[in-house]
Amino acid sequence: AQSVTQPDIHITVSEGASLELRCNYSYGATPYLFWYVQSPGQGLQLLLKYFSGDTLVQGIKGFEAEFKRSQSSFNLRKPSVHWSDAAEYFCAVGARNTDKLIFGTGTRLQVFP
Amino acid sequence: GAGVSQSPSNKVTEKGKDVELRCDPISGHTALYWYRQSLGQGLEFLIYFQGNSAPDKSGLPSDRFSAERTGGSVSTLTIQRTQQEDSAVYLCASSGVVSGPGELFFGSGTQLSVL
Repeated sequence: AQSVTQPDIHITVSEGASLELRCNYSYGATPYLFWYVQSPGQGLQLLLKYFSGDTLVQGIKGFEAEFKRSQSSFNLRKPSVHWSDAAEYFCAVGARNTDKLIFGTGTRLQVFP
Repeated sequence: GAGVSQSPSNKVTEKGKDVELRCDPISGHTALYWYRQSLGQGLEFLIYFQGNSAPDKSGLPSDRFSAERTGGSVSTLTIQRTQQEDSAVYLCASSGVVSGPGELFFGSGTQLSVL
């Protein structure tokens, strides 16, 4: 069965610092992988996705993520965090024969000025 | 419509009552999903509709939960005999062929509080 683990419940960084949010997945084949963001009072929005090919994918708002098959990971990164990046971030995994997504428990990002 | 619309935005009910939550997906989207978001639990998959296929109900937590999708568009999630543990935000999402696999468009959710 598919599953997603986000080991960090809450992360705090200073504005301008770099960021890495961890995501590990469990799936029997090569999955589809996603990162979504939920800003305060707003719905979830897709940041980026990995289907195949280049293992480093670029997303919106300056985010990127790297798929590492050997580590079953899909960590999200940003070189310099902005105060507006404060939000909850969800990693998700999907199977290749369905649009159903399984989400992790989320990581809440707090940004200090 | 322009986005996924959910109603009501907030619902307060008494334990034991039935509730209905409505979702109006983006026009033309063939797939519709219901998720439940509880504190510390992330997004819990409930049910998934794709076109005219039988829905994937594997995430429904009990037989008190049911959902239907009429005419391939609007969906209603029904919770019978609500319990306090049903309190959560219920999120609906839709997706279509153009948006690509896994690109779900979410509504703002219904905050359900069971007293």
